[in-house]
Amino acid sequence: DTAVSQTPKYLVTQMGNDKSIKCEQNLGHDTMYWYKQDSKKFLKIMFSYNNKELIINETVPNRFSPKSPDKAHLNLHINSLELGDSAVYFCASSQDEGSGRALPYEQYFGPGTRLTVT
Amino acid sequence: KNQVEQSPQSLIILEGKNCTLQCNYTVSPFSNLRWYKQDTGRGPVSLTIMTFSENTKSNGRYTATLDADTKQSSLHITASQLSDSASYICVVRTGNNRKLIWGLGTSLAVNP
Repeated sequence: DTAVSQTPKYLVTQMGNDKSIKCEQNLGHDTMYWYKQDSKKFLKIMFSYNNKELIINETVPNRFSPKSPDKAHLNLHINSLELGDSAVYFCASSQDEGSGRALPYEQYFGPGTRLTVT
Repeated sequence: KNQVEQSPQSLIILEGKNCTLQCNYTVSPFSNLRWYKQDTGRGPVSLTIMTFSENTKSNGRYTATLDADTKQSSLHITASQLSDSASYICVVRTGNNRKLIWGLGTSLAVNP
């Protein structure tokens, strides 16, 4: 069974369009994340949600809007797509490490969505 | 500034050989350090997670070390296999704002 799944796997679209990427995890985790991996292979966190609440929002254009309908889902909606948005987007999940917990939790990543903006 | 630097940037070895990847960090306060393996076209997979008190941790042919005093970690791969060809990423978590600071990774190619 797939632990963290994303759809679609590939997404090719034109500049100016609006698109969504869906993510689901069946691990019962409290926290979900969105990462962007650019052509230089650098993974950069975009958002983190804990129990449907936004806890990390890095410097990301407000064209990107995460939506968490429930703990198992964190979707990423992108408005007015630009060429620079072309990248691989990874969803991940983990239990919430919390501020006082001694043992860290692993993050489990989805297979990625390769977005190409033309 | 919180940073994670990895070396070498890329490495080519022959199948069956050992290798060691390095990670230096300037993250403070420190919570834990992780090594991930990312195969081409796939998401990262966790290899080890080490806390402040752990010096060495093994996962099969992978052995990670951590020196919290010098803020250095290494990942040693023993008896490399073709399937070890991947990018290996060092990630350090801060102890205050719960952020993960990602390195750029070392690209390892194992040739027959």
